[in-house]
Formats: sequence, C-alpha cells, structure tokens
Amino acid sequence: DAMVIQNPRYQVTQFGKPVTLSCSQTLNHNVMYWYQQKSSQAPKLLFHYYDKDFNNEADTPDNFQSRRPNTSFCFLDIRSPGLGDAAMYLCATSRDRGADEQFFGPGTRLTVL
Amino acid sequence: GQNIDQPTEMTATEGAIVQINCTYQTSGFNGLFWYQQHAGEAPTFLSYNVLDGLEEKGRFSSFLSRSKGYSYLLLKELQMKDSASYLCAVIDSNYQLIWGAGTKLIIKP
Repeated sequence: DAMVIQNPRYQVTQFGKPVTLSCSQTLNHNVMYWYQQKSSQAPKLLFHYYDKDFNNEADTPDNFQSRRPNTSFCFLDIRSPGLGDAAMYLCATSRDRGADEQFFGPGTRLTVL
Repeated sequence: GQNIDQPTEMTATEGAIVQINCTYQTSGFNGLFWYQQHAGEAPTFLSYNVLDGLEEKGRFSSFLSRSKGYSYLLLKELQMKDSASYLCAVIDSNYQLIWGAGTKLIIKP
C-alpha cells in the first residue's frame, strides 16, 4: 500500500543532543511537510518542500533544519533540542500544493530529557 | 490575523448525532478540510468542501457556508471508535493551510 512512513515512532534525546527524524513516502507526491504538534494544539507547519524547493515558515526556529535528498525521503534535524521541543512531529505529503489532501505519517513522539 | 475557532471539547452518546462547528476568518478562501485524529496518532482526511452546501459521505457529512465563514461536521449513528479530535483546516489565498486546534469528541455508552 502507498503510504507515509516515519521513523522512529518514539525518540528520546537529551537536552542539547542533536536528533534526526526521518520520513519516507511511496506516494510519489511532490510536496512533503513537517509539522510540530503539541498536546491539544493545532499542527504547526515548520517547513515544506515542493519538489526540491525548500519553504521555511517565518517563525520556525533556526534550531530546526530539513533535508530532502530525493522525492521519497525527507529528514528533520533538530540541532540542539530544548525541553520546549518535546512534541509529536508529523510528516505529511500531498500531490501538489494548495487544495490537495495531505496524507500524514504516524508521527514521531519526541521526548527531551 | 487568521483565525479558526472550534469548540475545545464535546460529549455525545453512542448511537446519537453530533454536530461540530468551525468558524474561520482567513485572508481568502480556497477550501476547507476536516480531519480526524485519534489520540497519539496522525490526522486522517475526512472531507473537503470548497462550494457552499452539504457533502455526505456515509455516517459523516460536512457543510460549508462561505458567506458566513462557517462549516460543520455532522456525525450520525455515533460509535465508540468515533472518540477522537476533529480538526478543521482552511486553505487561504496563498494556498497555506490554516489549522484549528481541534475539537475533542468524547463518546459515552
């Protein structure tokens, strides 16, 4: 089945220790998104790729970086995680930008000790 | 600013009907999504409305009034598995997706 896969599902890191979250998709979609979602809050868009074109949200901290080496894979790097970065990180894809439905992966729950 | 309002929490009884409202104020409008999100899981797509009126899909229906900046999600014949958060999201004029904080729906037997 075509899908969006995120690894790991649960990630524990220490304060200040870099961490990388991964996302892969078999849908061959052009757009990949990274969201941060804290409990009982709306998903917050961090950035998205339209093909290789990287789009950073204005309020995304510099601590968050992303890479998309090919169509199928996208990575979220958190360079120096703080306690406030503990959240669910959701990867999503869509065929195109705008009015296309977004397909979400299962998420990675990040804990910062 | 851009704003989407939904009730924080609602409670309903198994077998009943519930309506979850969403009002929005955004810079432009290019469609509205409803997503379902079970606790600890990713959102899954329920519906998309871009024209006024009611879209029915099985037990779930979604309504849109663009002039009022208003949508609702109607869930019929509620089942325990419908306990989840329901997120309203609007596409603005820049084709950015603006998310509401979601409505937590609790189903009681």
